[in-house]
Amino acid sequence: KNQVEQSPQSLIILEGKNCTLQCNYTVSPFSNLRWYKQDTGRGPVSLTIMTFSENTKSNGRYTATLDADTKQSSLHITASQLSDSASYICVVSDRGSTLGRLYFGRGTQLTVWP
Amino acid sequence: EADIYQTPRYLVIGTGKKITLECSQTMGHDKMYWYQQDPGMELHLIHYSYGVNSTEKGDLSSESTVSRIRTEHFPLTLESARPSHTSQYLCASSESGTSAVYNEQFFGPGTRLTVL
Repeated sequence: KNQVEQSPQSLIILEGKNCTLQCNYTVSPFSNLRWYKQDTGRGPVSLTIMTFSENTKSNGRYTATLDADTKQSSLHITASQLSDSASYICVVSDRGSTLGRLYFGRGTQLTVWP
Repeated sequence: EADIYQTPRYLVIGTGKKITLECSQTMGHDKMYWYQQDPGMELHLIHYSYGVNSTEKGDLSSESTVSRIRTEHFPLTLESARPSHTSQYLCASSESGTSAVYNEQFFGPGTRLTVL
């Protein structure tokens, strides 16, 4: 069964601190992995995308890593800001269908305190 | 920010009412999707469309129906709303193509539906 598991479920950090969110997946055949940020009451917005051959991708203060052998990914947030408070969702796409089916994790709810 | 719009943003209605959730995109995307999301849970695909006059049911069984008469418009209808339909409904769209970037789905802001 294709699954995406994220940890921790929730995380509270102080402004300016770094944090790392984890994602494990069993989706096969693998196409790509995205990290989305979802603000409360809004739709998800893509932060990074990585394909099988990529093992790191940065977008400003966000750095994602991918280990396709162990089927693990992480999202590292540097020097957190209050605006980083959101749910971060790991999304894996398979290449076994023309739809490019997406498999969603439940997200990590990050709260940044001043 | 993606040009995909959903209305209404919030809707509170009584049981038995018929409702239509609107979704429009101005990016010319062929593929469109409807997801249902409950608090703290993952998004579940309930409907999708490859293009005009194409609609398919997703992974999660839903009593809602959809139509795709125009490329830019993908409304979702509930003929008789029930409290179990209370949820957030997210619409998304994506380009067609085999490159990985073409799989990116752009999401609307969502409609928060509450059925009393």
